[in-house]
Amino acid sequence: AQSVSQHNHHVILSEAASLELGCNYSYGGTVNLFWYVQYPGQHLQLLLKYFSGDPLVKGIKGFEAEFIKSKFSFNLRKPSVQWSDTAEYFCAVITPTGGGNKLTFGTGTQLKVEL
Amino acid sequence: KAGVTQTPRYLIKTRGQQVTLSCSPISGHRSVSWYQQTPGQGLQFLFEYFSETQRNKGNFPGRFSGRQFSNSRSEMNVSTLELGDSALYLCASSSGQGFTDTQYFGPGTRLTVL
Repeated sequence: AQSVSQHNHHVILSEAASLELGCNYSYGGTVNLFWYVQYPGQHLQLLLKYFSGDPLVKGIKGFEAEFIKSKFSFNLRKPSVQWSDTAEYFCAVITPTGGGNKLTFGTGTQLKVEL
Repeated sequence: KAGVTQTPRYLIKTRGQQVTLSCSPISGHRSVSWYQQTPGQGLQFLFEYFSETQRNKGNFPGRFSGRQFSNSRSEMNVSTLELGDSALYLCASSSGQGFTDTQYFGPGTRLTVL
């Protein structure tokens, strides 16, 4: 079955540190990839997405992600995190199901940024 | 523009009962998707409706069903509730069918089954 793996469940960083959150998927077809974020007390929202073209995708709030097809990875990065980046981050991929397509999410990475 | 709204925000039911949850999408959006979020299984896709038709479906049993009305509002129904159905149910709306258009999520309905 297609799946999405986020190996880091909890990450703690100091402000200004660099961030890289791992995401690996197992689907072998054409992939559409996403990163979503949920800030404390807020709704889940889209950070960035990749469908095709430049494998380095830029999103909101200074986040970027790189699609590496050979590694089945779509890691999220930010050069310098802020306290306000404390949130839960979810990687997701569109995969086929018996009933069409579905959006498959990873288990999430809880990021805490300390002052 | 008003966001996605879900009602009710909290529900407590007992095993064997049924429940209906409601989702009102952003004005102009025609697609509504439903997700179940639990600590153990994470976020799982239930189904998507576009223009009153179910377009995509996840791997949930037939106890989970939904529908969409002509104004794009959607309802999700769970029959014969089980303890394992306790979860946060999220809906998301987007302008187009499928998942390529940006999905906007609602606050969720917290369902507790006793």
